Amino acid sequence: DAGVTQSPTHLIKTRGQHVTLRCSPISGHKSVSWYQQVLGQGPQFIFQYYEKEERGRGNFPDRFSARQFPNYSSELNVNALLLGDSALYLCASSAAGTREETQYFGPGTRLLVL
Amino acid sequence: GESVGLHLPTLSVQEGDNSIINCAYSNSASDYFIWYKQESGKGPQFIIDIRSNMDKRQGQRVTVLLNKTVKHLSLQIAATQPGDSAVYFCAENISSNTGKLIFGQGTTLQVKP
Repeated sequence: DAGVTQSPTHLIKTRGQHVTLRCSPISGHKSVSWYQQVLGQGPQFIFQYYEKEERGRGNFPDRFSARQFPNYSSELNVNALLLGDSALYLCASSAAGTREETQYFGPGTRLLVL
Repeated sequence: GESVGLHLPTLSVQEGDNSIINCAYSNSASDYFIWYKQESGKGPQFIIDIRSNMDKRQGQRVTVLLNKTVKHLSLQIAATQPGDSAVYFCAENISSNTGKLIFGQGTTLQVKP
């Protein structure tokens, strides 16, 4: 069975550019969450989507946005990239996105901003 | 603020020994806790979870203990193997209608052959 998939695996951008990261959840899962993991730290919650609606947002600037499509895949967009945006971006899926539900993570997209 | 902390950044154990990884959480309202394992270059992998109405849960070679009185969580790994070497994160989900997880900084487990 396919797990959570993310693309691309690696990405290099320069300051000021924008980036789009993609995620496909586990088949049958309707909720996708995005996390940012800076080197040496635990993941930080960015967004959660369920049935194409934003269910939760973390403490990130408006440069970060996301959306979910009818097939439950999701995109994370980051505009006006800063050096500090360099991180591993993780996508997690769950069946319904409720609070006592296991979230399964993808391998992540490693973003480097120069 | 939101935080889940771990007591030790690195734990080194001998192969075959038992490992205990500890975690302190700060939100009394948290009612769901998860342990994840993250190997280098990979995303976090679910190990085991526990709800606040329980104080112990066992899986295959792993046991999670929850002490709500002192807001402490631990992960016990029996007969530690080289493949257990990774960074271990505890995460909590506070009472809300979202699946937002709050992670700690992680403990690196090193297994010596």
